[in-house]
Amino acid sequence: DAKTTQPPSMDCAEGRAANLPCNHSTISGNEYVYWYRQIHSQGPQYIIHGLKNNETNEMASLIITEDRKSSTLILPHATLRDTAVYYCIVRYSGGGADGLTFGKGTHLIIQP
Amino acid sequence: GAVVSQHPSRVICKSGTSVKIECRSLDFQATTMFWYRQFPKQSLMLMATSNEGSKATYEQGVEKDKFLINHASLTLSTLTVTSAHPEDSSFYICSANGQGGTYEQYFGPGTRLTVT
Repeated sequence: DAKTTQPPSMDCAEGRAANLPCNHSTISGNEYVYWYRQIHSQGPQYIIHGLKNNETNEMASLIITEDRKSSTLILPHATLRDTAVYYCIVRYSGGGADGLTFGKGTHLIIQP
Repeated sequence: GAVVSQHPSRVICKSGTSVKIECRSLDFQATTMFWYRQFPKQSLMLMATSNEGSKATYEQGVEKDKFLINHASLTLSTLTVTSAHPEDSSFYICSANGQGGTYEQYFGPGTRLTVT
């Protein structure tokens, strides 16, 4: 799986959009971008994933650049409960039998 | 999304004893489950892949005789930490793949193991 690079930490004001970047310059054509988050002392939570098109669900939006070398997770209206470590993971599309490789992620802190 | 549960959520045991942790998929069947370990202030590390009806696959550096995995049904995988020592104290988390071939993983709430 391709390596990802994320900033170690970010702050965002409550109610504002939180934009979390991820670089994955070595991504290959059959690899998806997945985002998970982990609130303190809990198991990770799946957020969203995409291949090349932008994706949106009830939790977030995922914007993937045209060259697919980077992406941004957008939490449109951040709340205090969104404070967590966010992990960007690149994964082979057929990798259902494979576990995930977690990097260090971005610790997002939502400020009141 | 799919729901995965773990039991117990916390356990304290004495050094040298064994501890069993259960991971259940509550509303779906999981032929493959995964076990992770997370030490304080570190990221999750994959320990092993649990396959229903067959032997688990362990990551390099994980002792298969110490961390026994059993996946006897499509909804239950167990991890037994044998002869636990204080260095095994950690947060153990399981996961299972979602349905429909999209392969997003759903994680349990984790089990905090403290070995005294």
